[in-house]
Amino acid sequence: NAGVTQTPKFRVLKTGQSMTLLCAQDMNHEYMYWYRQDPGMGLRLIHYSVGEGTTAKGEVPDGYNVSRLKKQNFLLGLESAAPSQTSVYFCASRTSGGGDTQYFGPGTRLTVL
Amino acid sequence: RKEVEQDPGPFNVPEGATVAFNCTYSNSASQSFFWYRQDCRKEPKLLMSVYSSGNEDGRFTAQLNRASQYISLLIRDSKLSDSATYLCVVSPVWAGSYQLTFGKGTKLSVIP
Repeated sequence: NAGVTQTPKFRVLKTGQSMTLLCAQDMNHEYMYWYRQDPGMGLRLIHYSVGEGTTAKGEVPDGYNVSRLKKQNFLLGLESAAPSQTSVYFCASRTSGGGDTQYFGPGTRLTVL
Repeated sequence: RKEVEQDPGPFNVPEGATVAFNCTYSNSASQSFFWYRQDCRKEPKLLMSVYSSGNEDGRFTAQLNRASQYISLLIRDSKLSDSATYLCVVSPVWAGSYQLTFGKGTKLSVIP
């Protein structure tokens, strides 16, 4: 099993550009999450999903959109990137059947100029 | 008061030392508690869950005090490979979300 994978690993955008980050998991997990991690701020939840076709806002959802069209994929979109969105983005997934272990992807390092 | 608070460190300790990290949480409804480890420029990984009775995994011991809303992690006989950031994590576990709240982490450097 590959676990949780993220595409791309690195990206540099100009202000105003758009992009989509892809998260894929092969563990048949119901729940998926997008976090951002900034120095001194820790991990902050952007959006999450408790099943295919469902999404919900986390702590810092502004400027981001998500979609969960397939159970194994969770997409994070930036419609108009801003320098404040420069961060490391982590995707995570977990089973709904008890046990709280979240499995994280390797991260995407995004720089917005 | 922040939801999960940790001393950011860094803790610089020699090999073989014993080091303890503390964490406090504000939500008394929290039900699940964990320590995650994050290596530099890597993703967080579960180190261990924390149970009310306390639990041990090799050189690592975790303790929970619900009355004081306090969690601790003790590392004995520190190794160079223990150098990482340790994240305290709690979950209130309300229906349907299972969100985790992460502390900002405590950085540990084990020195030869």
